[in-house]
Amino acid sequence: DAEITQSPRHKITETGRQVTLACHQTWNHNNMFWYRQDLGHGLRLIHYSYGVQDTNKGEVSDGYSVSRSNTEDLPLTLESAASSQTSVYFCASSSGAQETQYFGPGTRLLVL
Amino acid sequence: QKEVEQNSGPLSVPEGAIASLNCTYSDRGSQSFFWYRQYSGKSPELIMFIYSNGDKEDGRFTAQLNKASQYVSLLIRDSQPSDSATYLCAVRRDSSYKLIFGSGTRLLVRP
Repeated sequence: DAEITQSPRHKITETGRQVTLACHQTWNHNNMFWYRQDLGHGLRLIHYSYGVQDTNKGEVSDGYSVSRSNTEDLPLTLESAASSQTSVYFCASSSGAQETQYFGPGTRLLVL
Repeated sequence: QKEVEQNSGPLSVPEGAIASLNCTYSDRGSQSFFWYRQYSGKSPELIMFIYSNGDKEDGRFTAQLNKASQYVSLLIRDSQPSDSATYLCAVRRDSSYKLIFGSGTRLLVRP
């Protein structure tokens, strides 16, 4: 079955370290998205991609970067982790024809 | 003003009752509307979407859209304790594939 996976599921890191969160989907979807979810803020878009070599900033992109070298993967990098980046991170994907986004299981990140 | 607003709740209903969840949006150009359910500690999962004014039914769920009043609602009939979750409203605002999410409404169904 096609799916979307994220790794690691839980991560503890220290302030200032670089962290990369992986997202892999096997639906062959063109569109991929990264969100963070915090209490009181709902899901906020960090970065998104509509295809290989395409990346775009979302509403809360500062301190984050992504790259899209193939259809299946969109890794999210925190360049220098900050305590304010402690959150739950969700990856999602959608096809070009359908708008529905399907979510991965999430990564809980704690920055100490 | 947030682009997509939902009452945070919790909305508490007895088992078997109809739960009514509401969502308002600010951009009149919004095109597509989605309801996701999120259990505690889990990822959002799609319940249904609606594009046109009126009602759309899927099993115990009915989505209602009123573009003139800029609101979309989700009715859950015969509510079950297993429906207890946070319900997220999402709106596609323009020709992009981005969705704007509300903060969610927490629903509690009492046995």
